[in-house]
Amino acid sequence: GAGVSQTPSNKVTEKGKYVELRCDPISGHTALYWYRQSLGQGPEFLIYFQGTGAADDSGLPNDRFFAVRPEGSVSTLKIQRTERGDSAVYLCASRTSGSSNEQFFGPGTRLTVL
Amino acid sequence: SQQGEEDPQALSIQEGENATMNCSYKTSINNLQWYRQNSGRGLVHLILIRSNEREKHSGRLRVTLDTSKKSSSLLITASRAADTASYFCATDREYGNKLVFGAGTILRVKS
Repeated sequence: GAGVSQTPSNKVTEKGKYVELRCDPISGHTALYWYRQSLGQGPEFLIYFQGTGAADDSGLPNDRFFAVRPEGSVSTLKIQRTERGDSAVYLCASRTSGSSNEQFFGPGTRLTVL
Repeated sequence: SQQGEEDPQALSIQEGENATMNCSYKTSINNLQWYRQNSGRGLVHLILIRSNEREKHSGRLRVTLDTSKKSSSLLITASRAADTASYFCATDREYGNKLVFGAGTILRVKS
């Protein structure tokens, strides 16, 4: 079946603009995660959804970042008043219920803030 | 913040040789996983080892876990050029929880 998909694959924006990044998880996966990866680093956790609700948003760096998952499937990560430091690859992952915590990652959205 | 560190930061070997990467972490864990990331592509899960396990095998991969030292190693035997990638360890503290990644090891396998 299809894996996790993310759109757009690349996004270039200007400082101060608003952006939305979309994640389509694997069908039937109840858990969805957002991570951010800077060059030369490992991914860093942002937020985790179980169903429609955010189970853990402790990784969101500040109130400019917000994410939703209104129907428990597709999720959108929203960044207001973008800053150059927000430039990174934003990764989405999903997981099915079960005994393993293996997460399936999408290809990411590369965000560049000029 | 990153959970821990992998070493070496970069490793270059010849095809057919074995590659060993190490990972250290800071807190108690539930599971430890290893992921591979090819240039420009997403992360691919390789293997998961639970905190009550000490060693696990999957094909050419062997993972060990020493919870007393808070460390893990990933051994890739008989390496191939296609193994060239970045390798990350990731830990979680309870089921379903966020993954905390290390900074990764860049592996280059020369043919």
